[in-house]
Amino acid sequence: AQSVSQHNHHVILSEAASLELGCNYSYGGTVNLFWYVQYPGQHLQLLLKYFSGDPLVKGIKGFEAEFIKSKFSFNLRKPSVQWSDTAEYFCAVMGAGNQFYFGTGTSLTVIP
Amino acid sequence: GAGVSQTPSNKVTEKGKYVELRCDPISGHTALYWYRQSLGQGPEFLIYFQGTGAADDSGLPNDRFFAVRPEGSVSTLKIQRTERGDSAVYLCASSLLREGTEAFFGQGTRLTVV
Repeated sequence: AQSVSQHNHHVILSEAASLELGCNYSYGGTVNLFWYVQYPGQHLQLLLKYFSGDPLVKGIKGFEAEFIKSKFSFNLRKPSVQWSDTAEYFCAVMGAGNQFYFGTGTSLTVIP
Repeated sequence: GAGVSQTPSNKVTEKGKYVELRCDPISGHTALYWYRQSLGQGPEFLIYFQGTGAADDSGLPNDRFFAVRPEGSVSTLKIQRTERGDSAVYLCASSLLREGTEAFFGQGTRLTVV
C-alpha cells in the first residue's frame, strides 16, 4: 500500500521567509501527487497537483512543488510566505487503485 | 450541487448508540471517498466507492463501520455501537475519477461520542 511521509510537523516562520515542506511517498508505480491546504475552520482545498509532464508544478497563491521521481519526493515551496498562509498542509498520493492517501500534515504558523 | 455537502456538521451521541453520517457529492462525480481525521492527524482512508459499489473498504477499522451508496450518488456512513474512540471529524470527498483530477472535500461531520 502507498504511504506518505511529511517530515515537518510544525513550522513557524516570519512573514517574507521562504518555505519548503517535505513530502515523500512510497509507491513504485505511476502516481498522481497533490498538496492540499486546510485553513482554520475551512475544508481541505487543493493547492496544486502533479500527474504528468513538467515535474515543477505551480499552484494557487504562489505555491509550487517539484516532483523528483528518483527521490520519491514532492516538496512544496513558496518563496515568501504571508500571514494568511497560516494553515495545515497535507501531501497526498493517488495510486493505481484510485484511493487518495494523505500524510500526517504540517502545521504552518506565519508570524506577522 | 456546487460542492460536497455533509450532514450533520456536528453530531454528539452517547456511547453505544448508532449514528449515520450523510455525504452528498458533486453531481456527476463517480468516485466517493470517506476519511476520518483526528486532531493533529491527516485524513485516514476508510472506504472508496466507484459508482454504487465499494471498490476498496480496507480502511474501515472494524465491522461496526459500514457505508452505502445505493444509487451512486449520496452515501451514508453508518457506525454501530459507537465508542469514545470513534470521536473524530469524518470527511467525505468526491472525484471525477479521471487521471489528474483531484478529490473535492466537504466540510466534514464532527462526531463526538460521550
